[in-house]
Amino acid sequence: EAGVVQSPRYKIIEKKQPVAFWCNPISGHNTLYWYLQNLGQGPELLIRYENEEAVDDSQLPKDRFSAERLKGVDSTLKIQPAELGDSAVYLCASSLPSVDEQFFGPGTRLTVL
Amino acid sequence: GENVEQHPSTLSVQEGDSAVIKCTYSDSASNYFPWYKQELGKGPQLIIDIRSNVGEKKDQRIAVTLNKTAKHFSLHITETQPEDSAVYFCAASSSGNTPLVFGKGTRLSVIA
Repeated sequence: EAGVVQSPRYKIIEKKQPVAFWCNPISGHNTLYWYLQNLGQGPELLIRYENEEAVDDSQLPKDRFSAERLKGVDSTLKIQPAELGDSAVYLCASSLPSVDEQFFGPGTRLTVL
Repeated sequence: GENVEQHPSTLSVQEGDSAVIKCTYSDSASNYFPWYKQELGKGPQLIIDIRSNVGEKKDQRIAVTLNKTAKHFSLHITETQPEDSAVYFCAASSSGNTPLVFGKGTRLSVIA
């Protein structure tokens, strides 16, 4: 069974440019999470989806970050415009409905110059 | 909200020795406590978890203990091997797809 797929794996952009990350969860996993991991820190939740509905986006900086999961399967996280402080690893995770175990993808490492 | 503290931040052990990592949590409503292993350039990998109705769980060389009264839980790795070298994260959540709150991680180095 394929795991959580993320692309790209690495992205380097200049500040003020837009960037987008893509995630395809494990098949059948209705719940999808986007986490931010700063260097030397644990992951922190940005947004959680149940199917296509964002049920927890309280930690998403909505002035520059947006996310969508239009068909309740894959998801895109966007930053526009990117700032130097956005340099981090963006992790996607998924889980079955009402099941605790979350499975993470490999992440996208973003560098903003 | 939940706050998870993890210690130590770095840990070096000789191959074959045991390693122990400890975490405390603040929210008494938390009832699910997973441990993740993260290797360089990879996402966190779930290695073991425990729920609040259990005090201890073991899977081969790894075990986790939970003390609900004291609000702390620990990861124990026995007979460590060089491939155990990684960053380990503890986390806590209440059940039902609620977000995980992670500790800051422990960098474990197993010296051959």
